[in-house]
Amino acid sequence: GNSVTQMEGPVTLSEEAFLTINCTYTATGYPSLFWYVQYPGEGLQLLLKATKADDKGSNKGFEATYRKETTSFHLEKGSVQVSDSAVYFCALSDSGTSYGKLTFGQGTILTVHP
Amino acid sequence: NAGVTQTPKFRVLKTGQSMTLLCAQDMNHEYMYWYRQDPGMGLRLIHYSVGEGTTAKGEVPDGYNVSRLKKQNFLLGLESAAPSQTSVYFCASRTSGGTGELFFGEGSRLTVL
Repeated sequence: GNSVTQMEGPVTLSEEAFLTINCTYTATGYPSLFWYVQYPGEGLQLLLKATKADDKGSNKGFEATYRKETTSFHLEKGSVQVSDSAVYFCALSDSGTSYGKLTFGQGTILTVHP
Repeated sequence: NAGVTQTPKFRVLKTGQSMTLLCAQDMNHEYMYWYRQDPGMGLRLIHYSVGEGTTAKGEVPDGYNVSRLKKQNFLLGLESAAPSQTSVYFCASRTSGGTGELFFGEGSRLTVL
Protein backbone atom coordinates (compact mmCIF):
# COMPACT_ATOMS: atom_id res chain seq x y z
CA GLY A 1 0.00 0.00 0.00
CA ASN A 2 0.90 3.66 -0.05
CA SER A 3 3.10 5.15 2.62
CA VAL A 4 4.85 8.42 3.42
CA THR A 5 7.91 8.78 5.62
CA GLN A 6 9.06 12.11 7.01
CA MET A 7 12.27 12.96 8.79
CA GLU A 8 12.15 12.60 12.53
CA GLY A 9 11.48 15.77 14.47
CA PRO A 10 11.19 18.02 16.20
CA VAL A 11 13.27 20.53 14.28
CA THR A 12 14.49 23.66 16.07
CA LEU A 13 16.04 26.53 14.11
CA SER A 14 17.03 30.13 14.59
CA GLU A 15 15.31 32.81 12.55
CA GLU A 16 16.74 33.18 9.02
CA ALA A 17 18.18 29.66 9.02
CA PHE A 18 17.75 27.28 6.08
CA LEU A 19 15.09 24.62 6.43
CA THR A 20 14.87 21.15 4.94
CA ILE A 21 12.27 18.58 5.93
CA ASN A 22 12.76 15.28 4.16
CA CYS A 23 9.86 13.28 2.76
CA THR A 24 9.96 10.00 0.85
CA TYR A 25 7.06 7.94 -0.37
CA THR A 26 5.98 4.54 -1.61
CA ALA A 27 3.09 4.37 -4.03
CA THR A 28 1.80 2.60 -7.09
CA GLY A 29 1.39 4.58 -10.25
CA TYR A 30 1.93 8.32 -10.33
CA PRO A 31 0.71 9.97 -7.14
CA SER A 32 0.19 13.65 -6.51
CA LEU A 33 2.26 15.01 -3.62
CA PHE A 34 1.38 17.63 -1.04
CA TRP A 35 2.72 19.54 1.91
CA TYR A 36 0.19 20.61 4.52
CA VAL A 37 0.88 22.89 7.49
CA GLN A 38 -0.87 22.94 10.84
CA TYR A 39 -0.48 26.04 13.00
CA PRO A 40 -1.14 25.72 16.73
CA GLY A 41 -4.80 25.14 17.51
CA GLU A 42 -5.84 25.03 13.86
CA GLY A 43 -6.69 22.49 11.20
CA LEU A 44 -4.38 21.58 8.36
CA GLN A 45 -4.06 23.83 5.34
CA LEU A 46 -2.45 23.19 1.99
CA LEU A 47 1.01 24.70 1.68
CA LEU A 48 1.99 23.46 -1.78
CA LYS A 49 1.53 20.57 -4.17
CA ALA A 50 3.00 18.87 -7.25
CA THR A 51 1.10 16.57 -9.54
CA LYS A 52 3.78 15.05 -11.77
CA ALA A 53 7.46 14.22 -11.84
CA ASP A 54 9.87 17.19 -11.84
CA ASP A 55 7.10 19.62 -10.92
CA LYS A 56 8.06 22.18 -8.29
CA GLY A 57 5.43 23.40 -5.86
CA SER A 58 6.02 26.72 -4.12
CA ASN A 59 4.21 29.01 -1.71
CA LYS A 60 5.17 31.56 0.97
CA GLY A 61 8.89 31.00 0.28
CA PHE A 62 8.61 27.21 0.67
CA GLU A 63 9.49 24.91 -2.21
CA ALA A 64 9.40 21.18 -2.93
CA THR A 65 10.27 19.26 -6.10
CA TYR A 66 8.63 15.98 -7.09
CA ARG A 67 11.55 13.55 -7.65
CA LYS A 68 10.28 10.30 -9.07
CA GLU A 69 13.73 8.73 -9.34
CA THR A 70 14.32 9.08 -5.59
CA THR A 71 10.60 8.97 -4.61
CA SER A 72 11.07 12.14 -2.62
CA PHE A 73 9.36 15.49 -2.07
CA HIS A 74 11.59 17.40 0.36
CA LEU A 75 10.38 20.73 1.74
CA GLU A 76 12.81 23.67 1.75
CA LYS A 77 12.85 27.31 2.74
CA GLY A 78 15.83 29.59 2.48
CA SER A 79 15.15 31.77 5.51
CA VAL A 80 12.64 30.73 8.15
CA GLN A 81 10.67 33.10 10.37
CA VAL A 82 9.23 32.67 13.85
CA SER A 83 5.79 32.61 12.21
CA ASP A 84 6.75 29.41 10.35
CA SER A 85 6.63 27.48 13.63
CA ALA A 86 4.08 24.75 12.99
CA VAL A 87 3.65 21.06 12.21
CA TYR A 88 4.36 20.09 8.60
CA PHE A 89 2.82 17.05 6.95
CA CYS A 90 3.84 15.41 3.71
CA ALA A 91 1.03 13.55 1.94
CA LEU A 92 0.21 11.72 -1.27
CA SER A 93 -2.90 11.04 -3.27
CA ASP A 94 -2.89 7.95 -5.42
CA SER A 95 -3.50 8.44 -9.11
CA GLY A 96 -6.02 5.60 -9.14
CA THR A 97 -9.62 5.67 -7.99
CA SER A 98 -8.80 6.87 -4.53
CA TYR A 99 -11.54 9.48 -4.24
CA GLY A 100 -9.02 12.06 -3.17
CA LYS A 101 -7.96 10.14 -0.09
CA LEU A 102 -4.63 11.30 1.26
CA THR A 103 -1.96 9.22 2.95
CA PHE A 104 -0.04 11.34 5.46
CA GLY A 105 3.39 11.18 6.96
CA GLN A 106 3.75 11.38 10.71
CA GLY A 107 4.34 15.13 10.76
CA THR A 108 7.40 17.20 11.65
CA ILE A 109 7.25 19.82 14.38
CA LEU A 110 9.20 22.97 13.47
CA THR A 111 10.07 25.56 16.10
CA VAL A 112 11.83 28.77 15.04
CA HIS A 113 13.45 30.94 17.71
CA PRO A 114 14.13 34.68 17.30
CA ASN B 1 -16.75 32.39 5.08
CA ALA B 2 -17.23 29.34 7.35
CA GLY B 3 -15.62 26.57 5.24
CA VAL B 4 -15.59 23.37 7.31
CA THR B 5 -17.07 23.56 10.79
CA GLN B 6 -16.80 20.84 13.42
CA THR B 7 -18.81 20.52 16.62
CA PRO B 8 -18.09 20.05 19.42
CA LYS B 9 -14.48 21.23 19.65
CA PHE B 10 -13.83 19.48 22.96
CA ARG B 11 -15.49 16.56 24.69
CA VAL B 12 -14.72 14.25 27.58
CA LEU B 13 -16.44 10.87 27.70
CA LYS B 14 -16.43 7.92 30.01
CA THR B 15 -15.69 4.47 28.63
CA GLY B 16 -18.82 3.00 27.09
CA GLN B 17 -20.59 6.30 26.43
CA SER B 18 -21.69 7.28 22.95
CA MET B 19 -21.41 10.53 21.06
CA THR B 20 -21.60 12.09 17.61
CA LEU B 21 -19.25 14.56 15.99
CA LEU B 22 -20.81 16.83 13.39
CA CYS B 23 -19.02 18.19 10.35
CA ALA B 24 -20.65 20.82 8.15
CA GLN B 25 -19.24 22.37 4.98
CA ASP B 26 -20.66 25.24 2.97
CA MET B 27 -18.58 24.83 -0.18
CA ASN B 28 -20.86 22.33 -1.95
CA HIS B 29 -18.08 19.73 -1.91
CA GLU B 30 -18.89 16.18 -2.99
CA TYR B 31 -16.22 14.37 -0.97
CA MET B 32 -15.94 14.42 2.81
CA TYR B 33 -13.57 12.64 5.19
CA TRP B 34 -12.99 11.93 8.85
CA TYR B 35 -9.37 11.59 10.04
CA ARG B 36 -7.90 11.05 13.47
CA GLN B 37 -4.59 12.58 14.53
CA ASP B 38 -2.40 10.87 17.07
CA PRO B 39 1.13 11.87 18.16
CA GLY B 40 3.82 10.42 15.91
CA MET B 41 1.27 8.81 13.58
CA GLY B 42 0.14 11.64 11.37
CA LEU B 43 -3.46 11.57 10.22
CA ARG B 44 -5.25 8.31 9.56
CA LEU B 45 -8.47 8.02 7.58
CA ILE B 46 -11.45 6.64 9.48
CA HIS B 47 -14.31 6.86 6.97
CA TYR B 48 -15.09 8.89 3.91
CA SER B 49 -18.01 9.76 1.65
CA VAL B 50 -18.10 10.51 -2.07
CA GLY B 51 -21.63 11.82 -2.08
CA GLU B 52 -24.91 12.17 -0.25
CA GLY B 53 -26.10 8.82 1.05
CA THR B 54 -22.77 7.03 0.46
CA THR B 55 -20.02 6.13 2.93
CA ALA B 56 -16.93 3.92 2.86
CA LYS B 57 -14.34 2.62 5.29
CA GLY B 58 -10.90 4.09 5.53
CA GLU B 59 -7.76 2.83 7.20
CA VAL B 60 -9.02 2.67 10.83
CA PRO B 61 -12.84 2.30 10.77
CA ASP B 62 -13.38 -0.04 13.72
CA GLY B 63 -15.45 1.43 16.55
CA TYR B 64 -16.84 4.25 14.40
CA ASN B 65 -19.91 4.75 12.24
CA VAL B 66 -20.75 7.56 9.86
CA SER B 67 -23.70 8.96 7.99
CA ARG B 68 -24.12 11.46 5.15
CA LEU B 69 -27.83 12.18 4.91
CA LYS B 70 -27.25 15.67 3.53
CA LYS B 71 -24.51 16.73 1.15
CA GLN B 72 -23.21 19.41 3.50
CA ASN B 73 -23.05 17.26 6.65
CA PHE B 74 -20.93 14.26 7.62
CA LEU B 75 -21.49 12.73 11.05
CA LEU B 76 -19.03 10.54 12.95
CA GLY B 77 -20.45 8.36 15.70
CA LEU B 78 -18.87 6.44 18.53
CA GLU B 79 -21.34 3.88 19.88
CA SER B 80 -19.29 2.72 22.85
CA ALA B 81 -16.25 4.90 23.45
CA ALA B 82 -12.92 3.35 24.46
CA PRO B 83 -9.76 5.02 25.80
CA SER B 84 -8.01 4.08 22.51
CA GLN B 85 -10.34 6.54 20.78
CA THR B 86 -8.82 9.47 22.66
CA SER B 87 -7.58 11.59 19.79
CA VAL B 88 -8.05 14.75 17.79
CA TYR B 89 -10.56 14.27 14.99
CA PHE B 90 -10.47 16.26 11.78
CA CYS B 91 -13.11 16.55 9.13
CA ALA B 92 -12.14 17.53 5.61
CA SER B 93 -13.86 18.09 2.28
CA ARG B 94 -13.01 18.68 -1.37
CA THR B 95 -14.46 18.75 -4.83
CA SER B 96 -14.56 15.56 -6.88
CA GLY B 97 -12.00 14.89 -9.61
CA GLY B 98 -8.52 16.22 -10.27
CA THR B 99 -6.07 16.92 -7.48
CA GLY B 100 -8.18 19.34 -5.54
CA GLU B 101 -7.16 20.71 -2.19
CA LEU B 102 -8.56 19.19 1.00
CA PHE B 103 -10.15 21.77 3.28
CA PHE B 104 -9.95 20.90 6.97
CA GLY B 105 -11.97 21.85 10.00
CA GLU B 106 -10.27 23.05 13.18
CA GLY B 107 -10.50 19.67 14.86
CA SER B 108 -12.39 18.10 17.75
CA ARG B 109 -10.41 16.94 20.76
CA LEU B 110 -11.98 13.87 22.37
CA THR B 111 -10.83 12.35 25.64
CA VAL B 112 -12.19 9.00 26.78
CA LEU B 113 -11.59 8.21 30.45
